[in-house]
Amino acid sequence: NAGVTQTPKFRVLKTGQSMTLLCAQDMNHEYMYWYRQDPGMGLRLIHYSVGEGTTAKGEVPDGYNVSRLKKQNFLLGLESAAPSQTSVYFCASSYRAGQETQYFGPGTRLLVL
Amino acid sequence: RKEVEQDPGPFNVPEGATVAFNCTYSNSASQSFFWYRQDCRKEPKLLMSVYSSGNEDGRFTAQLNRASQYISLLIRDSKLSDSATYLCAVRSGGYQKVTFGTGTKLQVIP
Repeated sequence: NAGVTQTPKFRVLKTGQSMTLLCAQDMNHEYMYWYRQDPGMGLRLIHYSVGEGTTAKGEVPDGYNVSRLKKQNFLLGLESAAPSQTSVYFCASSYRAGQETQYFGPGTRLLVL
Repeated sequence: RKEVEQDPGPFNVPEGATVAFNCTYSNSASQSFFWYRQDCRKEPKLLMSVYSSGNEDGRFTAQLNRASQYISLLIRDSKLSDSATYLCAVRSGGYQKVTFGTGTKLQVIP
């Protein structure tokens, strides 16, 4: 039982390049989330999903897109990376109802030059 | 005013000391409260949920004060291994709306 995994662990991009971050969970969770964490800003929700095939915007969605084609996977895309997107990205998942604990992946460190 | 606020610290305390952190929230309709622990360059992990009646887990005690809109975390007999950043999280509104504080850094000194 791996929990929540994220790939890649670290990436360097040039401004304007695109990339996709992959999150996978093996806990059969309905809810999945993408956060970014920046110094002094805490964790900020980018997008989330309440089930397979659904996505919704969080607090800071601009510049990102997501897809949840399979229940266990949640993808975060950057179409045209900007230096302001340099951050640590965490994926998380949780059960649908009753339990609200979020389980986080190990994070992806992204540097945009 | 931020939805969830924490003193960033750092709190430098000697081993064996008792330390307490507070976290204030602005939405009086907030429904659920949590403390997460985050080690350096690692992901946040749930430390404990905070119930209305307060709850205790070993050396850790969490309390909720709805009247003053804050939650607290008390750590007794601090260990070196307690050194980490402690994030509070508050759920308001819909199920998916969980807001995290920026965290309070604790450094336990030998």
